[in-house]
Amino acid sequence: NAGVTQTPKFRILKIGQSMTLQCTQDMNHNYMYWYRQDPGMGLKLIYYSVGAGITDKGEVPNGYNVSRSTTEDFPLRLELAAPSQTSVYFCASHREIRTEQYFGPGTRLTVT
Amino acid sequence: GENVEQHPSTLSVQEGDSAVIKCTYSDSASNYFPWYKQELGKRPQLIIDIRSNVGEKKDQRIAVTLNKTAKHFSLHITETQPEDSAVYFCAASKGNNNDMRFGAGTRLTVKP
Repeated sequence: NAGVTQTPKFRILKIGQSMTLQCTQDMNHNYMYWYRQDPGMGLKLIYYSVGAGITDKGEVPNGYNVSRSTTEDFPLRLELAAPSQTSVYFCASHREIRTEQYFGPGTRLTVT
Repeated sequence: GENVEQHPSTLSVQEGDSAVIKCTYSDSASNYFPWYKQELGKRPQLIIDIRSNVGEKKDQRIAVTLNKTAKHFSLHITETQPEDSAVYFCAASKGNNNDMRFGAGTRLTVKP
């Protein structure tokens, strides 16, 4: 299994540009999450999904959108990039609640 | 909502010494407490977790203790090694899809 994969690894955006961060898992996990990690801080939940076709907001959803058309894929969309969205983004998945979350390698995004 | 505080933010120990990292949580309904290790530039990985029905759990050199009355839990690493150097995150959850809250992290440095 490849586990959780994310692309791209790095990206620099100009203010106002849009992009999609890709996340794929091959473990047949229903639960998937997007977190952001600001420097020196813990992880904050942006959006999550409990299965294909179902998504919901986390702690910090403003400025982001997600979709979950398949069990494997959970892309995160930034529509109008702002400097405040400069962060490292992690996708994660797990099989059941209260079990280990498996994280992707992260996407380092800079908005200038 | 749940609030997780983690101390200290940085910790430096000599190889072979013990290291202790402490976290407090605010919501008495939280019942799942994982600890993640994140090496520089890498993804977070679960190292140990504990559920509220036990007070202590050990896995080789790592142990976690939970005090539900005081609402705090701690990570103990014995016989530290340089490869233990990383950022450690605690988290707390009530077992719902969207309520995992992470501490801000502790940067542990083990000096050879």
